[in-house]
Amino acid sequence: DVELVQSGGGLVQPGGSLRLSCAASGVTFGTYRMHWVRQVPGKGLVWVSDIQGDGTVTNYADSVKGRFTISRDNSRKMLYLQMDSLSAEDTTVYYCARGYASGFDSWGQGTLVTVSS
Amino acid sequence: EVVLTQSPATLSLYPGERATLSCRASQSITTYLAWYQQKPGQPPTLLIYNTSNRATGIPARFSGGGSGTDFTLTISNLEPEDFAVYYCQQRGSWPPTFGQGTRVEI
Repeated sequence: DVELVQSGGGLVQPGGSLRLSCAASGVTFGTYRMHWVRQVPGKGLVWVSDIQGDGTVTNYADSVKGRFTISRDNSRKMLYLQMDSLSAEDTTVYYCARGYASGFDSWGQGTLVTVSS
Repeated sequence: EVVLTQSPATLSLYPGERATLSCRASQSITTYLAWYQQKPGQPPTLLIYNTSNRATGIPARFSGGGSGTDFTLTISNLEPEDFAVYYCQQRGSWPPTFGQGTRVEI
């Protein structure tokens, strides 16, 4: 089985930047497409971005396109989300997740990002 | 993007009863639908993928069905630990989207 452990996050000023990390343990990390999903506490889930197993193809939600960059380092089993030009609307809990079939079968514990002055 | 509409918003049941949750897609997603359970302060847990396949370790009382635009999650014989929020999610059309959730309460 795979375990995903997130780090990064915290408080950042509007217009600032933050990088989230997601460390994977267990099976062959590079085989799977990886995703970032966010959730306003008490609200629904929103897909943010994904990256193909070999890192060559990335996709973004329209709301973050041009501001967020997803990347991965398969040799270190790490997934990243670089977030730039942050605004209050980006304040939420971010999860990394592994893609499997039609769903996401493993999730990180979540990390809170707060954008505020 | 595909909009997933879940109903009802809240389901009030007793332990031992059957829960039937609905998820309707704004366009056909064939069978690329998944269901999750989420409890407070925890990430979602995958229950069902590809409409009807139970994820690893998920009890048989959870079952999924449907196709095209209409899908259901059935929880037979509710256990106390099943009271939570349930989300459907699709990857049949880009971008992946989630329903707004159904709360199953005692």
